[in-house]
Amino acid sequence: SAVISQKPSRDICQRGTSLTIQCQVDSQVTMMFWYRQQPGQSLTLIATANQGSEATYESGFVIDKFPISRPNLTFSTLTVSNMSPEDSSIYLCSAEGTDYGYTFGSGTRLTVV
Amino acid sequence: QKEVEQDPGPLSVPEGAIVSLNCTYSNSAFQYFMWYRQYSRKGPELLMYTYSSGNKEDGRFTAQVDKSSKYISLFIRDSQPSDSATYLCAMSEVASGTYKYIFGTGTRLKVLA
Repeated sequence: SAVISQKPSRDICQRGTSLTIQCQVDSQVTMMFWYRQQPGQSLTLIATANQGSEATYESGFVIDKFPISRPNLTFSTLTVSNMSPEDSSIYLCSAEGTDYGYTFGSGTRLTVV
Repeated sequence: QKEVEQDPGPLSVPEGAIVSLNCTYSNSAFQYFMWYRQYSRKGPELLMYTYSSGNKEDGRFTAQVDKSSKYISLFIRDSQPSDSATYLCAMSEVASGTYKYIFGTGTRLKVLA
């Protein structure tokens, strides 16, 4: 299965600022996904990122708030813009595995103060 | 009603016990069923993958799907303290990459030495 390196692993950010999370995959993958994981809640898909096209956002998530880049088949970034304390969460990137299921990065634990 | 329901636990068992983790779902179109294990401060890792109904065994782990009851289970035999983690079920209508997965909230398991 693909191995995903995600950074930063954690950050504490000021309200109103932006944070960019990076994910690097060790093999080429067609689709990458960005999730949010809040305590006591299931993983929530933010958007699907395909190389060469605009990301597809799920209901409740918009490009202005969560811009995504996918410049090539091994890399993607998610930016959390104009942050508020409600954005405090764990953000996870994932990619298709070689056979079934998704491979996940180790997550970015974001705290907005 | 949520599409996927999972008891959040925590579930505490003594070392060596058989653990049963369960999810129920409402969407009869789900065909692919997965179990992920997530250690603290790590991303989820795929444990088991099952298509349609039936059982699948891998070492100490057995995944079971009962589509007639819309119920899936993960059994862990001879549980070890290293099995202490959060276990998430996930399911989708079609294969990985072509449709999003729906995750349960996760069950926190603690195996006591």
